[in-house]
Amino acid sequence: DAGVIQSPRHEVTEMGQEVTLRCKPISGHNSLFWYRQTMMRGLELLIYFNNNVPIDDSGMPEDRFSAKMPNASFSTLKIQPSEPRDSAVYFCASSPRANTEAFFGQGTRLTVV
Amino acid sequence: GEDVEQSLFLSVREGDSSVINCTYTDSSSTYLYWYKQEPGAGLQLLTYIFSNMDMKQDQRLTVLLNKKDKHLSLRIADTQTGDSAIYFCAESSSGSARQLTFGSGTQLTVLP
Repeated sequence: DAGVIQSPRHEVTEMGQEVTLRCKPISGHNSLFWYRQTMMRGLELLIYFNNNVPIDDSGMPEDRFSAKMPNASFSTLKIQPSEPRDSAVYFCASSPRANTEAFFGQGTRLTVV
Repeated sequence: GEDVEQSLFLSVREGDSSVINCTYTDSSSTYLYWYKQEPGAGLQLLTYIFSNMDMKQDQRLTVLLNKKDKHLSLRIADTQTGDSAIYFCAESSSGSARQLTFGSGTQLTVLP
């Protein structure tokens, strides 16, 4: 298996623009997680899906952030409008079941200027 | 809330042992993990230990857990340049990635 695949690897955008980050989990995994990594706050869980359903989105910082999982093989994290403080590395992870280890993608480095 | 703390930097010479330390505050932590992050890459799970264990060894890696002091350490024997990376300590009370609390990471630099 290719592992968790995220795209793009790098994204540079202007403040106010919409940004969409994409994730393909490992086939057969039914839990998916979006994390954000910054120097100041470290790794933070943004949202968690189980069987394509959002279970816990308490980590989503603001209404500007939204996440979807239309099917078992694809998820998006959207920021609209983006702000410079959203600059971070965003990781997607998946796990076979809710209470098992998570496998991380390589991340998307987002820079909002 | 839960807190996991690590020192930010560690430098060692190639061939020496590295010891990365971590402390946590959540007494209900059941699972404790070590992740490795290489430049430009995601987090890779290296090893984990259950709270009812004191030690776990896996090839060059040795994890020691002092549950009384809430102290976790990762020892890398015969450290190689390929071990240079950021190492994250993480804890969870359930084993679920939704409840992982990560430390800030320790940047390990292996000098030739």
